[in-house]
Amino acid sequence: DSGVTQTPKHLITATGQRVTLRCSPRSGDLSVYWYQQSLDQGLQFLIHYYNGEERAKGNILERFSAQQFPDLHSELNLSSLELGDSALYFCASTRGRGRLQETQYFGPGTRLLVL
Amino acid sequence: QQQVKQSPQSLIVQKGGISIINCAYENTAFDYFPWYQQFPGKGPALLIAIRPDVSEKKEGRFTISFNKSAKQFSLHIMDSQPGDSATYFCAASINDKIIFGKGTRLHILP
Repeated sequence: DSGVTQTPKHLITATGQRVTLRCSPRSGDLSVYWYQQSLDQGLQFLIHYYNGEERAKGNILERFSAQQFPDLHSELNLSSLELGDSALYFCASTRGRGRLQETQYFGPGTRLLVL
Repeated sequence: QQQVKQSPQSLIVQKGGISIINCAYENTAFDYFPWYQQFPGKGPALLIAIRPDVSEKKEGRFTISFNKSAKQFSLHIMDSQPGDSATYFCAASINDKIIFGKGTRLHILP
């Protein structure tokens, strides 16, 4: 158990809908990273937050947004969902300001299925 | 230029053998090269990582070899065990962004 929690574990929704994925980092960790994993695209970095502020963006679509709250949990919002958004979404946390040289602890993931 | 190419896609190795996974990159500005291990139903976990000023790093049975001039790096798993059966991802990072290879599914035969 990494200490990172993600909810929900599974999510089934329809095209055009909007969903929110939640991540709670390990106690004391200030950085949260979001990743998308799909069969065709592999593992892709989406976005990184440190202590409530956005630090880096990867291949995140404009339909997707994220935020990190004062209690350091983070939410990833996916809107206008398409079939191709079906994937596993992981978050990871690190203790410090978020240099990637720090070990990232991954959560168990949320499996999203868009029908 | 932001791609990281990983090969092979899948690999079968006998128990006790050496597993070798290769990665290549284009962007010379990458400054950190981690390898992740992922078991089915789990999130990736950092296995070992290297910086470009080092040519080799060893941790237990796992070794990264890094060739800066060729822009290639590889993971060697010595004395491979059935418990090493997993998917392995190489990655390269720059400015807190990380690019992953497509992954290698490794199966160790008992």
